[in-house]
Amino acid sequence: DTGVSQNPRHKITKRGQNVTFRCDPISEHNRLYWYRQTLGQGPEFLTYFQNEAQLEKSRLLSDRFSAERPKGSFSTLEIQRTEQGDSAMYLCASTPTWGDTDTQYFGPGTRLTVL
Amino acid sequence: GQSLEQPSEVTAVEGAIVQINCTYQTSGFYGLSWYQQHDGGAPTFLSYNGLDGLEETGRFSSFLSRSDSYGYLLLQELQMKDSASYFCAVRVRYGQNFVFGPGTRLSVLP
Repeated sequence: DTGVSQNPRHKITKRGQNVTFRCDPISEHNRLYWYRQTLGQGPEFLTYFQNEAQLEKSRLLSDRFSAERPKGSFSTLEIQRTEQGDSAMYLCASTPTWGDTDTQYFGPGTRLTVL
Repeated sequence: GQSLEQPSEVTAVEGAIVQINCTYQTSGFYGLSWYQQHDGGAPTFLSYNGLDGLEETGRFSSFLSRSDSYGYLLLQELQMKDSASYFCAVRVRYGQNFVFGPGTRLSVLP
């Protein structure tokens, strides 16, 4: 068990470019969450998967954001036509479906800077 | 909407006891969790309350009163390494959607 991993750890991009982040959850965890966190704030829920099914998406998430989990393992989060307001830490977390379902295991995050 | 409130900052000295409060107004409630986050790090799970009462895990304890929509995290025998941000989080639906509070920054002084 190597924990939740995220790549890249840092991403600097120019406004208007597309970016994609990857999250690899703990292998036996079926539930995967994406959050966005800005400085001095708590993580803000973006979307949630159970296996490959995207079960919930925040109303705060614009159409420029899309997430996938095609085989129920790793997930990707894509932001199209990035804006400066997208600059934040993007966190991924996973939980098992059974048992310890109330503990979210977070990855180290991807810090996005949009210039 | 969903709303969680926490004090923004708390300061205490090594060896002391500190309590961080959390009040919530959410569309649903399936439990209150607490997370610790050091600067530049990922949130790490500390404690969970699904039912009213006190849960103890080593130096950390957490309390929940569902009738008051209130909980707290109690940290005892504070150490310098406890300096971090602490977040309460409510699961608003079973299996889904955790809502996090704004966080409380704890500074432990020597």
